[in-house]
Amino acid sequence: NAGVTQTPKFQVLKTGQSMTLQCAQDMNHNSMYWYRQDPGMGLRLIYYSASEGTTDKGEVPNGYNVSRLNKREFSLRLESAAPSQTSVYFCASSEASGGRTDTQYFGPGTRLTVL
Amino acid sequence: GDSVTQMEGPVTLSEEACLTINCTYTATGYPSLFWYVQYPGEGLQLLLKATKADDKGSNKGFEATYRKETTSFHLEKGSVQVSDSAVYFCALTSSNTGKLIFGQGTTLQVKP
Repeated sequence: NAGVTQTPKFQVLKTGQSMTLQCAQDMNHNSMYWYRQDPGMGLRLIYYSASEGTTDKGEVPNGYNVSRLNKREFSLRLESAAPSQTSVYFCASSEASGGRTDTQYFGPGTRLTVL
Repeated sequence: GDSVTQMEGPVTLSEEACLTINCTYTATGYPSLFWYVQYPGEGLQLLLKATKADDKGSNKGFEATYRKETTSFHLEKGSVQVSDSAVYFCALTSSNTGKLIFGQGTTLQVKP
């Protein structure tokens, strides 16, 4: 039982390049999330998926797109990377669809640098 | 909107000292409250949670009580260890949106 896995762990991009961050969970959870973590700002929600086939914007969605490929996988795409997207990205999942008491389970993160 | 405020760090303590990390929140309705911990180089993991007023969450010697009257959820531990060195995040789940809202995090460093 691996929990939430993310690839890659590290990535360096040049401004304007594109890339996809991959996330998978093996806990049969319905909801999945993408966050970014910046110094002094905690974690901010980029996009989430309450169930397979649905996605919604979070607090900071500009410059990103997502795909809920199936129940296990939720990818985050940067179409044209900008230095402001330099951050640590975390994927998370939870059992229910936005339940108030749900615990979210986090992956190990992807550290992205955009030059 | 809903928000979480944590005491600024870093907090530096000697081993076996007492720890308190303050957390206050602003929310409509009845949020659930969480403490997550992030060890160096790792993702966040749940430390403890409380889902209603006066509930006490506890785990690994850490405790926090959901205080609705003071809108607080302070994290406490009686005797910290070097292995407790990490970043601690207070968070709430908005009762309106169901989304997790984080404080900015507090870095704890425990010295031998």
